[in-house]
Amino acid sequence: ETGVTQSPTHLIKTRGQQVTLRCSSQSGHNTVSWYQQALGQGPQFIFQYYREEENGRGNFPPRFSGLQFPNYSSELNVNALELDDSALYLCASSLDRATIYFGEGSWLTVV
Amino acid sequence: KNEVEQSPQNLTAQEGEFITINCSYSVGISALHWLQQHPGGGIVSLFMLSSGKKKHGRLIATINIQEKHSSLHITASHPRDSAVYICAVLSNGGSQGNLIFGKGTKLSVKP
Repeated sequence: ETGVTQSPTHLIKTRGQQVTLRCSSQSGHNTVSWYQQALGQGPQFIFQYYREEENGRGNFPPRFSGLQFPNYSSELNVNALELDDSALYLCASSLDRATIYFGEGSWLTVV
Repeated sequence: KNEVEQSPQNLTAQEGEFITINCSYSVGISALHWLQQHPGGGIVSLFMLSSGKKKHGRLIATINIQEKHSSLHITASHPRDSAVYICAVLSNGGSQGNLIFGKGTKLSVKP
């Protein structure tokens, strides 16, 4: 039990649609990061939020956006879904570089 | 060439065997994480290393900063150790969630 909860666990969307994934962070953790993991690959860093501001971004297009709320919960939004967006999306919360807690992930299938 | 390389990609062992998983990286780092991922997708952080060696139960992790190499060892392996083990590095100057991941080593321990 990591204290990081993600929803939904599984979902199917159609190409061109928009999706919102949610993450409830470990209590007191002010940093949340999102990752995309394609099948058979390691996760890829999407972006990180610290105190409601984006403060780091990986090589993902602007249609990947996020929000962090005052209670440190977070959302990942993806617009104009493409087939290649099908992946496991992981959220992780941290207080410092030494400890990072991952959620169980949201499996997204785009058809 | 990936910035983080793991070997082997797949590993099958008999219960009780000593297991070593290797990780090499090509960037300067401030920290290295060893992570465990089960089939459902959730990831658990096993260790964070910036130097030397750490031990937790049957797991031992070492890092050689000069050689840019880390190893994860499992002593007296058990079927419940079956999982994907992922090495992830935090590059110098990177925000704490901006991890670069290896593709993982899939370990299967047979009874």
